[in-house]
Amino acid sequence: GENVEQHPSTLSVQEGDSAVIKCTYSDSASNYFPWYKQELGKRPQLIIDIRSNVGEKKDQRIAVTLNKTAKHFSLHITETQPEDSAVYFCAALSMYSGGGADGLTFGKGTHLIIQP
Amino acid sequence: DTAVSQTPKYLVTQMGNDKSIKCEQNLGHDTMYWYKQDSKKFLKIMFSYNNKELIINETVPNRFSPKSPDKAHLNLHINSLELGDSAVYFCASSQGRVPGQETQYFGPGTRLLVL
Repeated sequence: GENVEQHPSTLSVQEGDSAVIKCTYSDSASNYFPWYKQELGKRPQLIIDIRSNVGEKKDQRIAVTLNKTAKHFSLHITETQPEDSAVYFCAALSMYSGGGADGLTFGKGTHLIIQP
Repeated sequence: DTAVSQTPKYLVTQMGNDKSIKCEQNLGHDTMYWYKQDSKKFLKIMFSYNNKELIINETVPNRFSPKSPDKAHLNLHINSLELGDSAVYFCASSQGRVPGQETQYFGPGTRLLVL
């Protein structure tokens, strides 16, 4: 099955600086890679996603890059703000042998702390 | 936002009991999922359900059984609850299982505590 590794587990940055979170995956058949933000006690919320036919996607201060050859994708947050503090999860869509999808495989999360 | 809703929000119960968690989505989605988030915040897929096809993560004990009365609902029934079942359980849904339809939307979670 799919295995997703995420680093770092904790990231502390000064407000206004950039934050980068990196993930690797193992299943070359995976073709969809979302990023979720989870605030304390809340549900995971999709912030950006990328599909395997795209190398980079940007939405305001958030961008994601994908390197399919290296099986590596990253989340970039620029001009960080206090409200960016949360746990961020990367994920890859796992495929089962029947050809359908059997759910997202998540990384272990990165606790992003924005220092004022 | 109530696109994906779950009940109850909190569930405290004794070891050995049987309990159910309900999930409903009003997005018209075809696929629903159950995820478990443990105390270390690890999120793991338990089941996916699409058009009466159930795909089970092989690590899920058979004490857990999803039940779908219709496309908008996927309930989770748990028999003989154990201490290790304590976690937050998230329901999610997506439009489908083909490219362009994979985006999953999560419910608010059910916090289960087994004593």
